[in-house]
Amino acid sequence: NAGVTQTPKFRVLKTGQSMTLLCAQDMNHEYMYWYRQDPGMGLRLIHYSVGEGTTAKGEVPDGYNVSRLKKQNFLLGLESAAPSQTSVYFCASSSGPSRASYNEQFFGPGTRLTVL
Amino acid sequence: RKEVEQDPGPFNVPEGATVAFNCTYSNSASQSFFWYRQDCRKEPKLLMSVYSSGNEDGRFTAQLNRASQYISLLIRDSKLSDSATYLCVVSPYSSASKIIFGSGTRLSIRP
Repeated sequence: NAGVTQTPKFRVLKTGQSMTLLCAQDMNHEYMYWYRQDPGMGLRLIHYSVGEGTTAKGEVPDGYNVSRLKKQNFLLGLESAAPSQTSVYFCASSSGPSRASYNEQFFGPGTRLTVL
Repeated sequence: RKEVEQDPGPFNVPEGATVAFNCTYSNSASQSFFWYRQDCRKEPKLLMSVYSSGNEDGRFTAQLNRASQYISLLIRDSKLSDSATYLCVVSPYSSASKIIFGSGTRLSIRP
């Protein structure tokens, strides 16, 4: 039972390059999230998904796209990377609202992205 | 005003001391409250949920004050291993998009 995994762990991009971050969970969770964490800013929600085939914008969605084609996977894409997207990216998952503890989130280990 | 505010610290206390953090939230409709712990360069992990009646887990006690809209975390007999950043998390029960993380309080325990 791996929980939430993320690939890659580290990446350096040049401005304008594109990349996809992969998140996978094996807990059969309905909800999945992508956050970015910057110093002094806390975790900010980029996009989230409440089920397979659905996605929605969070607090800071600009410059990112997501897809949830399979329940266990949530992909985050950067089409044209900018230095402002240098950050640590965390994926998380949680069970749906039918459970009392649905908001308990399980996080992946993070992806450290640097855009030069 | 931020939706969730925490004193960033750092709190630097000796081993064995008792330390307390507060976290204030602005949305009175908030229903779920949590404390997460984040070690340096690691992912956040759930420390404990915060219930209306308050709850205790070993050396950790969490309290909720709805009238004043804050939650607190008390750590007794602090250990070196308690050194971490503690994140306050607030959410209305029904919305996946409204889970708000505080920016964290950094705690450093010295020998």
